Amino acid sequence: EAQVTQNPRYLITVTGKKLTVTCSQNMNHEYMSWYRQDPGLGLRQIYYSMNVEVTDKGDVPEGYKVSRKEKRNFPLILESPSPNQTSLYFCASRLASNEQFFGPGTRLTVL
Amino acid sequence: QQPVQSPQAVILREGEDAVINCSSSKALYSVHWYRQKHGEAPVFLMILLKGGEQKGHEKISASFNEKKQQSSLYLTASQLSYSGTYFCGTDNDYKLSFGAGTTVTVRA
Repeated sequence: EAQVTQNPRYLITVTGKKLTVTCSQNMNHEYMSWYRQDPGLGLRQIYYSMNVEVTDKGDVPEGYKVSRKEKRNFPLILESPSPNQTSLYFCASRLASNEQFFGPGTRLTVL
Repeated sequence: QQPVQSPQAVILREGEDAVINCSSSKALYSVHWYRQKHGEAPVFLMILLKGGEQKGHEKISASFNEKKQQSSLYLTASQLSYSGTYFCGTDNDYKLSFGAGTTVTVRA
């Protein structure tokens, strides 16, 4: 089944404790993105990647890191999480000029 | 930069029509439309490409004015299943940015 998977789905952590949210897609898509969703603000893009080893900042990249070492994986790294990074996070992938597929989401709480 | 959507919310009775607008300050390669149900991930509805090609949903239509950098989504003869939050996404050179969303509530 064609899909984008994210892990974990739920995470509660404390300020300053490094964490990684994994994302994987099995559709051989070139483009992958991370978004965060907050009430009233919609989906805001954090980082995106056009292919292996090619990444760029989205609209809200501060406090996040990404890497794209393999085509199928695009992990999101929070080196020192803070409470304002409490949010619902979506990973997504697509081919150029085609629909974007979203993962199921990761709900992160930073205490 | 995120596109601007309007209205923020709309309430409809079954069978009524609605229009959701999306505008961008940048030239666009394509416009995407997605719908998100509560507690779920956004789901693809339609993509409108520069030059007029469209791909997507059979029962929901949209338009794309490339010169004005605007798109509109038309919900015609709305059904209860149309309820949800609608997002437009503007594709500008690899970067797909979404608006704040329009919440649509369809009542019987």
